[in-house]
Amino acid sequence: GAVVSQHPSRVICKSGTSVKIECRSLDFQATTMFWYRQFPKQSLMLMATSNEGSKATYEQGVEKDKFLINHASLTLSTLTVTSAHPEDSSFYICSASAGGREQYFGPGTRLTVT
Amino acid sequence: QKEVEQDPGPLSVPEGAIVSLNCTYSNSAFQYFMWYRQYSRKGPELLMYTYSSGNKEDGRFTAQVDKSSKYISLFIRDSQPSDSATYLCAPGGSWGKLQFGAGTQVVVTP
Repeated sequence: GAVVSQHPSRVICKSGTSVKIECRSLDFQATTMFWYRQFPKQSLMLMATSNEGSKATYEQGVEKDKFLINHASLTLSTLTVTSAHPEDSSFYICSASAGGREQYFGPGTRLTVT
Repeated sequence: QKEVEQDPGPLSVPEGAIVSLNCTYSNSAFQYFMWYRQYSRKGPELLMYTYSSGNKEDGRFTAQVDKSSKYISLFIRDSQPSDSATYLCAPGGSWGKLQFGAGTQVVVTP
């Protein structure tokens, strides 16, 4: 149980383009989803928290117009990196919670912007 | 000072040994404590979570929390090469978010 998927697992895009990453909870309803970014050898940094049907809450320093988050249903959240630049290259990971304290993570998406 | 501190390692142990991982935190408002395991280039996997001071055991894993000293530990008994990964401690509070440590890399050698 508590399986979370992400798609795509890897994406390479050109600078200036937008990239959408999907996060799905496969066997439970996720009332809250979280988006993290992780640079090599570093910890997970929370970018934003989203609740189904509500606007996402962004962490300080995260540009909400650049990282668009949509949580349209209890099983799907999307992160769109708009006008991506090389410094946005990172490992993006989502997690989902069914209302308890535990967060279940997806396998991550490696974004490379050339 | 970071809110959650972990020794990055690597911590190298022979197969069958006990792995001892530690984490300290500064925010006394943390109420619950998670341990995650992360293999290279993968998402973290929840191993254990505790809500109070004391010990909690699950198979080969034991989590220990001492809220008075803001110190949390994870012990892995009978370690296996498949336990080689990065272990992340992640306390959380009433606000519903987790604060991740940088992780400790563990290498179990056959």
